[in-house]
Amino acid sequence: DVKVTQSSRYLVKRTGEKVFLECVQDMDHENMFWYRQDPGLGLRLIYFSYDVKMKEKGDIPEGYSVSREKKERFSLILESASTNQTSMYLCASSLGSTSSYNSPLHFGNGTRLTVT
Amino acid sequence: AQKVTQAQTEISVVEKEDVTLDCVYETRDTTYYLFWYKQPPSGELVFLIRRNSFDEQNEISGRYSWNFQKSTSSFNFTITASQVVDSAVYFCALSEAGQAGTALIFGKGTTLSVSS
Repeated sequence: DVKVTQSSRYLVKRTGEKVFLECVQDMDHENMFWYRQDPGLGLRLIYFSYDVKMKEKGDIPEGYSVSREKKERFSLILESASTNQTSMYLCASSLGSTSSYNSPLHFGNGTRLTVT
Repeated sequence: AQKVTQAQTEISVVEKEDVTLDCVYETRDTTYYLFWYKQPPSGELVFLIRRNSFDEQNEISGRYSWNFQKSTSSFNFTITASQVVDSAVYFCALSEAGQAGTALIFGKGTTLSVSS
């Protein structure tokens, strides 16, 4: 089974702090994604990466950055956390190459971040 | 632009009732995939089904069935004889063929509550 592991289940940070959310997958997937989930808004894509050191902006990249130094790890960075970034963050991975658009995403359990 | 609409925000049923979750999508591509995911209270999204745009055959898996109709751009999900364990948030998603790393576009989700 594909395992996508997010380093923290719950996180509480203060406004202005730099926050790192870590995600590791063990299935050698090329694609990795960060979504945030908010009530009434569903899942919104923040960033994704289809290869090491590659990144693409999603629908709501403002206030976030990402890092993909190794294939299995995809980090989401909040440079200066703000209260409107309080949310559930979901990491996912999928197979890449030409079949990527039909590959199911495999999700981690999520990190519930609270910024106070 | 691609879009996924799940008009039902919340649905409540009593055990053993049948329930249909609606999903309507918009895309300009002729090649695309549709997905359904389940998010139980534990939080992890679980992949349920994938359907490509060239296959309009309905699919049944146990108590679950899916009806894909290109004419109405719909991909509806029916649970027969619902059970309490079916209580979850269900997401419909769309992926278009194209460059590697294409991300899924999710609907806002439908929260299903099944009471005993």
